[in-house]
Amino acid sequence: GENVEQHPSTLSVQEGDSAVIKCTYSDSASNYFPWYKQELGKRPQLIIDIRSNVGEKKDQRIAVTLNKTAKHFSLHITETQPEDSAVYFCAALTGGGADGLTFGKGTHLIIQP
Amino acid sequence: KAGVTQTPRYLIKTRGQQVTLSCSPISGHRSVSWYQQTPGQGLQFLFEYFSETQRNKGNFPGRFSGRQFSNSRSEMNVSTLELGDSALYLCASSSRQGAYGYTFGSGTRLTVV
Repeated sequence: GENVEQHPSTLSVQEGDSAVIKCTYSDSASNYFPWYKQELGKRPQLIIDIRSNVGEKKDQRIAVTLNKTAKHFSLHITETQPEDSAVYFCAALTGGGADGLTFGKGTHLIIQP
Repeated sequence: KAGVTQTPRYLIKTRGQQVTLSCSPISGHRSVSWYQQTPGQGLQFLFEYFSETQRNKGNFPGRFSGRQFSNSRSEMNVSTLELGDSALYLCASSSRQGAYGYTFGSGTRLTVV
């Protein structure tokens, strides 16, 4: 089955700086890569996703890049704000979705004032 | 529109008992998926229901089962509870089969004592 590795497990950045979270996946048949944000005690929320036929997608301060050859994808957050503090999860979906989403272990992003 | 509703929010059960959790998807969504979230294993896929049929199943024992009703509401049942079943159980709904564009509910926190 699919395996998703996520790094780093904790990331501390100064407010206003950029943050980058990286994930690698193992199954070349994976074709959908969403990112979720989970604040403490709350539900995971989809913040951005990308399909395998696209290399990059941007939504305001958030962007995701995908390198199919290297089998890795990254989340980029620019001009970080205190409300960006949360745990971020990457995930991958293999074609057909038989195994559901395979999630990374999460990155705890801390925005320092 | 109303989000994904899970009930109950918290549950305490004794080892050996069984439990039923409920999930009402976003109106019009026909796909409901269930995930288990624990600190050690992270988010793991349990199963997906679409149009009252189980479409996909994760790597969990047969003690974990579910069903979906004609109004798309779904229930998950865990029999013969074990201490290791203590977790946050999340359901996610989508307008199409598969894990695309999930909206998660707030989850049911199950504690087995």
